[in-house]
Amino acid sequence: QVQLRESGPGLVKPAEPLSLTCTVSGGSTSGYNWSWIRQPPGKGLEWIGHIYYSGSTNYNPSLKSRVTISVDTSKNQFSLKLSSVTAADTAVYYCARARNYYDISGLLFYFDYWGQGTLVTVSS
Amino acid sequence: QSVLTQPPSVSSAPGQKVTISCSGSGSNIENNYVSWYQQLPGTAPKLLIYENNKRPSGIPDRFSGSKSGTSATLGITGLQTGDEADYYCGTWDSSLSVVVFGGGTKLTVL
Repeated sequence: QVQLRESGPGLVKPAEPLSLTCTVSGGSTSGYNWSWIRQPPGKGLEWIGHIYYSGSTNYNPSLKSRVTISVDTSKNQFSLKLSSVTAADTAVYYCARARNYYDISGLLFYFDYWGQGTLVTVSS
Repeated sequence: QSVLTQPPSVSSAPGQKVTISCSGSGSNIENNYVSWYQQLPGTAPKLLIYENNKRPSGIPDRFSGSKSGTSATLGITGLQTGDEADYYCGTWDSSLSVVVFGGGTKLTVL
């Protein structure tokens, strides 16, 4: 059974970078695609971005200038870095395994395994 | 304001049936596949439906999905109190180049 677990600071000061790591167990990061998704308190889900098994990335345009997602297959981990955070970045951050491919009916993009989530608060 | 529109809340009695709608457009639902997620209170979302109507292993057939044009629907039959949760639809938006989610629907089983 694939399991994901987020780790990183729960409190980040405004204007500083946010860094989180997702450790994958029960499976390999190789050959799969991985995403970060966040959820502000009491609100809905927002997709942050995605890293393909090839190493290429795809980011939410609203966050693209501040986001970097990377993968370390040797450690079976992938990471999120979000620069220059503000209070609006306060959220529960989830890592997830993504399944995505094109066929004649369109693009299939869904998340079959999720981490438990980690709350990151931006405050001085 | 979410790209996909869901009703904020729905309710029904134990044993009954409920449907949750998800409305989008030609750049998302109409031309891409829809997935649905269940988020029990205080937990991470869980995949319920993918590829419009397929259930992952372990998801009971009380849960079903369908899609028609620019809308998708999640159906739940034989409601249980344990089904009380927030439900989200999601898909790719080809114009925005982003995964989009609905705003979520809170299901209450009275």
